[in-house]
Amino acid sequence: DGGITQSPKYLFRKEGQNVTLSCEQNLNHDAMYWYRQDPGQGLRLIYYSQIVNDFQKGDIAEGYSVSREKKESFPLTVTSAQKNPTAFYLCASLAGPGELFFGEGSRLTVL
Amino acid sequence: RKEVEQDPGPFNVPEGATVAFNCTYSNSASQSFFWYRQDCRKEPKLLMSVYSSGNEDGRFTAQLNRASQYISLLIRDSKLSDSATYLCVVTSWRAGGTSYGKLTFGQGTILTVHP
Repeated sequence: DGGITQSPKYLFRKEGQNVTLSCEQNLNHDAMYWYRQDPGQGLRLIYYSQIVNDFQKGDIAEGYSVSREKKESFPLTVTSAQKNPTAFYLCASLAGPGELFFGEGSRLTVL
Repeated sequence: RKEVEQDPGPFNVPEGATVAFNCTYSNSASQSFFWYRQDCRKEPKLLMSVYSSGNEDGRFTAQLNRASQYISLLIRDSKLSDSATYLCVVTSWRAGGTSYGKLTFGQGTILTVHP
C-alpha cells in the first residue's frame, strides 16, 4: 500500500548527540515537509522540499538539517545545536493543493 | 503576532450541540485555507478545504472572510466521534502558481463532545 513511513517511532537520545529521523514515501509526491509538534501546540514547519536537491527553511529550522537526494526520501537530522529537541516529529508529502499526507510520526525524547 | 491564530479552547459540548471555531491569519497574501482534524496522539488528516463562497460537507461548514482575514468551521449536531483537535491551515504558494509552498498550521482547538 502507498504511504509514508517514518522511523523510528520512538527514540531516546542523550544530550549532545545528533539523531536522524527517517521519512520514506512511495506515493510519487514531489513536495515533502517536516513539522514539529509540542504538547498542546500546533505544528511548526521545520523544512520543506519540492524536488530532489532542493529544500527551504521553515519557521524553526535552527538546529535541524535535511537532505533530499531521492524523491522518495527526506530524512531529518536533529543536531546537538537544537536546544529543546524533545517533541513529536511529523513528516508529510503533498498530495494536492493543501492536502498533506502525514506519516505516523516519530517521538523523540532527550534524556 | 503569530501567522495563524485559533480560538484557545478547549470546547466541551454535549452531543447534538452546534459549535464554531474561528481562525485568523496575518498574511493578506495567503492563498488557500484548510481545516485538519487530529485525534489524540495521531497524525493530522485533512478535514475540508475552505472556499471563498463557503462550503459544506455534511454537518461541517467552512467559511472564509478575506476582508477580515479569518476562517471558520461550524459543526452541527455534534457526535461523540467529533472529539478531536481541529487545526486551521493557511498556505502561501511559491511564485509561478505551483501547488507547492509553505503550509502554516494554527495551534489547534480541542473539542470534546460528551454524552
